[in-house]
Amino acid sequence: DTEVTQTPKHLVMGMTNKKSLKCEQHMGHRAMYWYKQKAKKPPELMFVYSYEKLSINESVPSRFSPECPNSSLLNLHLHALQPEDSALYLCASSTLGTDYGYTFGSGTRLTVV
Amino acid sequence: AQSVTQLDSQVPVFEEAPVELRCNYSSSVSVYLFWYVQYPNQGLQLLLKYLSGSTLVKGINGFEAEFNKSQTSFHLRKPSVHISDTAEYFCAVRGLYNFNKFYFGSGTKLNVKP
Repeated sequence: DTEVTQTPKHLVMGMTNKKSLKCEQHMGHRAMYWYKQKAKKPPELMFVYSYEKLSINESVPSRFSPECPNSSLLNLHLHALQPEDSALYLCASSTLGTDYGYTFGSGTRLTVV
Repeated sequence: AQSVTQLDSQVPVFEEAPVELRCNYSSSVSVYLFWYVQYPNQGLQLLLKYLSGSTLVKGINGFEAEFNKSQTSFHLRKPSVHISDTAEYFCAVRGLYNFNKFYFGSGTKLNVKP
């Protein structure tokens, strides 16, 4: 298995809703990432987990809450989002060695109404 | 810190023509360099990477890139493009000892016309 699987592929939520994005990989990668990508822009790093511990938070608002329950799963809990949070949310994973690139999932297209 | 500049936001090209997508980086330390491709409504797929050794790197789908340390460039090339190569291409850099942070360029949209 060489994939990163993200669910759901599309999500529409109201500003008062609570929802979660899910990411799963079975490649034995010990680093997992959340990125946010707005239209026609490069991905922006949000969070990094190394060995299931949060190692980087790029000053992301608290309405985004990451969780890494085990080495294969990464969640992003969403609450009280704003319309400007609408974007493609990408999950990625990698080994922690020097010879690697990321493996990205296909993303969740989030629309906040 | 590192940064990446992709000089062209869009590159139109006819099918079967050669193409070069330009990427320049700045860094005070040695870096690893990557090219990713993103098809519409998809995640990013690794095309190729330069870690060390030969400066000419071959990747998937017939793409190659050349690392030029003196010019701090890592341009992506393909001798003959196909319609299916239409996508967004991102150059990225990572410091040798900063495992967790990639710096992406702003992207180049390759538009292959029939």
